Amino acid sequence: AQSVTQLDSQVPVFEEAPVELRCNYSSSVSVYLFWYVQYPNQGLQLLLKYLSGSTLVKGINGFEAEFNKSQTSFHLRKPSVHISDTAEYFCAVSDRDMRFGAGTRLTVKP
Amino acid sequence: EAQVTQNPRYLITVTGKKLTVTCSQNMNHEYMSWYRQDPGLGLRQIYYSMNVEVTDKGDVPEGYKVSRKEKRNFPLILESPSPNQTSLYFCASSLAGFDTPFFGQGTRLTVV
Repeated sequence: AQSVTQLDSQVPVFEEAPVELRCNYSSSVSVYLFWYVQYPNQGLQLLLKYLSGSTLVKGINGFEAEFNKSQTSFHLRKPSVHISDTAEYFCAVSDRDMRFGAGTRLTVKP
Repeated sequence: EAQVTQNPRYLITVTGKKLTVTCSQNMNHEYMSWYRQDPGLGLRQIYYSMNVEVTDKGDVPEGYKVSRKEKRNFPLILESPSPNQTSLYFCASSLAGFDTPFFGQGTRLTVV
């Protein structure tokens, strides 16, 4: 069965700084990979997904992620964060069904 | 508008009082699932359904039941809720299990 590890539970950064949220997965078969964002008191919103093709995936709100098969990673990046990016971010992997990581709380400070 | 609708959004109940959280989707999706979200644990799958009348356990099924009598509805039933089931619950649907899920807005359940 697949599993997901988000390596940082909390990431504090200053506004306009770059950020990387790390995600590693394990699976014995080909997988699809996802990043979701959850703003306070809201549901989950899809940021981006990797199904196949180019390993660099661009999503909404200026986020992108790179699929690295050899390192089994799917790290999320943004070159310059805003206060409004403060949220919890979840990495997920699916083959037959979907598994989520424990989440990374991104806090953007002024 | 494509959506997954959960009700209620908030619920406070007492230990042992049976409750049902409803979930309905309007996208004709085959696959539906329930998750619970707890701090530091992310989302864990409770039950899933690959099609009508087909359901199976996820990672944390104890204390929960589900049914899938129609394609659009997938209610979550807590026959005898306990305080350790206090959590935020999400219903999701997708074309297939590996496909991009659409999530409901969540149900925050408190069992006292």
